[in-house]
Parts: sequence; structure tokens; C-alpha cells
Amino acid sequence: DAGVIQSPRHEVTEMGQEVTLRCKPISGHDYLFWYRQTMMRGLELLIYFNNNVPIDDSGMPEDRFSAKMPNASFSTLKIQPSEPRDSAVYFCASSWSIKTGESTGELFFGEGSRLTVL
Amino acid sequence: AQSVAQPEDQVNVAEGNPLTVKCTYSVSGNPYLFWYVQYPNRGLQFLLKYITGDNLVKGSYGFEAEFNKSQTSFHLKKPSALVSDSALYFCAVRDPLTGTASKLTFGTGTRLQVTL
Repeated sequence: DAGVIQSPRHEVTEMGQEVTLRCKPISGHDYLFWYRQTMMRGLELLIYFNNNVPIDDSGMPEDRFSAKMPNASFSTLKIQPSEPRDSAVYFCASSWSIKTGESTGELFFGEGSRLTVL
Repeated sequence: AQSVAQPEDQVNVAEGNPLTVKCTYSVSGNPYLFWYVQYPNRGLQFLLKYITGDNLVKGSYGFEAEFNKSQTSFHLKKPSALVSDSALYFCAVRDPLTGTASKLTFGTGTRLQVTL
């Protein structure tokens, strides 16, 4: 398996523009997580999905952020409009449900999308 | 609520010396504990985990970790550090009592610097 695939790896945009980050989880995984990493705040969980349904979005900073998972193999994180303080590395991760008996909860991370908002 | 603490922002060690990166946790039940490593400009990579059984667990790249229930700790160790071990290390915990969600709580990370 190719692992969790994120795109783009790097994005530079101007304040006010819309940004869309994409993620393809590992096939068969039924959990998908979006994290944000910054020097100041460390690793923050933004939102996670189970079987394509958002379970907890309490980490989403504000209404400018939205995430979707239209099917089991694709998710997007959208920022509209973007602001300089959104500059960070955004990670997508996936895992199996522990109930399947095949997982003890470890996450598999993508390589991240580094966003710079000017 | 589950939580994990990494008390050291940075650990410095000379190559060939043993290293320890500290982690303590707080959960209501028996924890699932994990260590991840992040190399520059890369995603987090799973190193090892403790679920049950032997308190000393072995993982990738020669790392091991010791689960200590009485001290609620899960320190990461390696007998002989390499310069290539220099990276950011994250401890994470999951409380199985919270249900089937794979939601992990991560520590703030410890930067390991190994010098010649």
C-alpha cells in the first residue's frame, strides 16, 4: 500500500484566497483524521471521520475551516478565506477501528501539506 | 480525560551514549501507549506501542520503551544513540474505555539532538 497520500505538499497563497488540501487514506481504514502542526501550538487535532461521517470537529478553529469526506478514499480540508495565521503543516492520518480486532489504534500519517499564507 | 506529558522540550546526547525521552500519561483505564518519530519535513512515523503484556516493548530502529504503571510513565530508550536518530519524538495515549474511536492524544514532542 502506498500509505496516506496528501496533496499538495506545498502551497503558497495570498490572504483571502481559498485553499483546498486533499487526502487519500490507506485502503480499508475507516477512520480519518486532520491535524495541524505549528511551532507555537504543536500538533492539534482538527476533525476526524469514521466511515466518512464527521465525528468530532471541535478542533476546527473557526467557520473558515471545513472538511468533507465524500467517500472512503478521499477527504478535503478547505480554508476560505485563508489568513496568514493559518500557515502551518496540515497532516492527514488514517487508522482501522479497534472493533475490527485488527488495530490497537495506531495512526498512519501522510507526509503533510505545508501551507504558507502571505 | 486522557492526557500525556513530555517534560523535556529537547534532549541532547552524544552518539554512542544511551538516550531516554520521557513521557508520562493520565487515563482512566489501562492505556494504549505509542511513540512516534518525525524527521524534518516528514510526517509522523509509528515507532512502537504498548497495549498489554511485557512492560518492555521493542520497536523500530533499535528503540524500546518501558511501561511503568505505578509511575504512569512510558519512557523511550535506546542503548546507543546515532546522529541519524536526531528528530522530533511524540508520545501518545489512548484510553480504551473511550470506545472504538482511534483518537490519540499526543504530547507536545521532544526534540532529540544527537551529536558526534
